[in-house]
Amino acid sequence: ETVLTQSPATLSLSPGERATLSCRASQGVSYYLAWYQQKPGQAPRLLIYDASTRATGIPTRFSGSGSGTDFTLTISSLEAEDFAVYYCQQRGNWPLTFGGGTKVEVK
Amino acid sequence: EVRLVESGGGLVQPGGSLRLSCRASGFTFADHQMNWVRQAPGKGLEWISYITSGGGIIKYPDSVRGRFTISRDDAKNSLYLQLNSLRVEDTAMYFCARELLYNIGGQRVWHYLDYWGQGTLVTVSS
Repeated sequence: ETVLTQSPATLSLSPGERATLSCRASQGVSYYLAWYQQKPGQAPRLLIYDASTRATGIPTRFSGSGSGTDFTLTISSLEAEDFAVYYCQQRGNWPLTFGGGTKVEVK
Repeated sequence: EVRLVESGGGLVQPGGSLRLSCRASGFTFADHQMNWVRQAPGKGLEWISYITSGGGIIKYPDSVRGRFTISRDDAKNSLYLQLNSLRVEDTAMYFCARELLYNIGGQRVWHYLDYWGQGTLVTVSS
């Protein structure tokens, strides 16, 4: 099983700041990685797939990069609605797996 | 508008069974691969089953293989998950999720979950 390790577990930032979230895979997954956002009481929302492609309707302040085992989600300037938990997910190897999440909270 | 609505959750004793349903609308259900993902209270996401369009290929992780069964009825625009031999650790919110079919360039993509239902809660407790 491909284990995805997300860091940090919690990121405390202020609106307008830049957020950088990391996802590391225990084995290579090529570029087959997605990022999701989840707010309390809601279902996850697909933000990024294939490591760097924004899903439909996702603002340009969200960007993804990486390949192989190391991936990054960057939020260029945090807005109030961006404070949430973010998960990475790989589809390079079965079973599909998710990372443990990074919570972006208001500082 | 794409909608996925789960139902069938509830309180069940260890060793018991439940059948979850997911009703889809707003898109051609038969064209899409579908998945179930669960989330234990306060925890992260865990993928638990996958079925292709047409139902010819099904996959599970080791944690539920042999106990859970995914199925679909395209005539009813519905996805199902039969949960048997339930354990306390199966307590979670269960989400159904649709797979994205194509990227922005029109190429086929696989196993990214672009629409999710709101979930149905399964509680396993004596």
